[in-house]
Amino acid sequence: AQKVTQAQTEISVVEKEDVTLDCVYETRDTTYYLFWYKQPPSGELVFLIRRNSFDEQNEISGRYSWNFQKSTSSFNFTITASQVVDSAVYFCALSDYQGAQKLVFGQGTRLTINP
Amino acid sequence: GAVVSQHPSRVICKSGTSVKIECRSLDFQATTMFWYRQFPKQSLMLMATSNEGSKATYEQGVEKDKFLINHASLTLSTLTVTSAHPEDSSFYICSASGTSGDAETQYFGPGTRLLVL
Repeated sequence: AQKVTQAQTEISVVEKEDVTLDCVYETRDTTYYLFWYKQPPSGELVFLIRRNSFDEQNEISGRYSWNFQKSTSSFNFTITASQVVDSAVYFCALSDYQGAQKLVFGQGTRLTINP
Repeated sequence: GAVVSQHPSRVICKSGTSVKIECRSLDFQATTMFWYRQFPKQSLMLMATSNEGSKATYEQGVEKDKFLINHASLTLSTLTVTSAHPEDSSFYICSASGTSGDAETQYFGPGTRLLVL
């Protein structure tokens, strides 16, 4: 069975600090997708990134970066120079490569950036 | 691109009534739509998966007769909560995947907050 664990329930940092959100996953599939979504207080989930299991290249998008390591089954998300607008709940998710592509979500990490 | 809307955004109803929630893909054709439920401070729980023109596939423990899902077109899916009760109060979110540039990604609607009195 697929499982996603986000061990950090809540994180609080001061603006401009760097912060890393951890995500560990379990799957028996050899090919799969990993995702990060942001859920601000408004409730809508905003897609941030999708990563294929066969592509372990790290990715950087502005202040956001993602570190994918198959050896440790982790897909961590780092925000550099955090801003108050980054405050949200962040979900890591996993789906199979083919078929229904159902998403299995982690429990989410509530990130609070204090001014 | 890949915008999903939901209507209504918030609904309050009396116990025993039925509530319909619409989910639309605005700029792409959604071959598959998903319905989730989220309780406060919890993660999303998948309720059902629907493909256009066919019956929805419900997750274990989700009552098919209570949560009616229709996916009649490539841009619209509806969730009807029949005979709603206070325990059905929740945040319902739909997502869609399909012919947008990234067909393997689900794009989410803004959600509908349902309060049953």
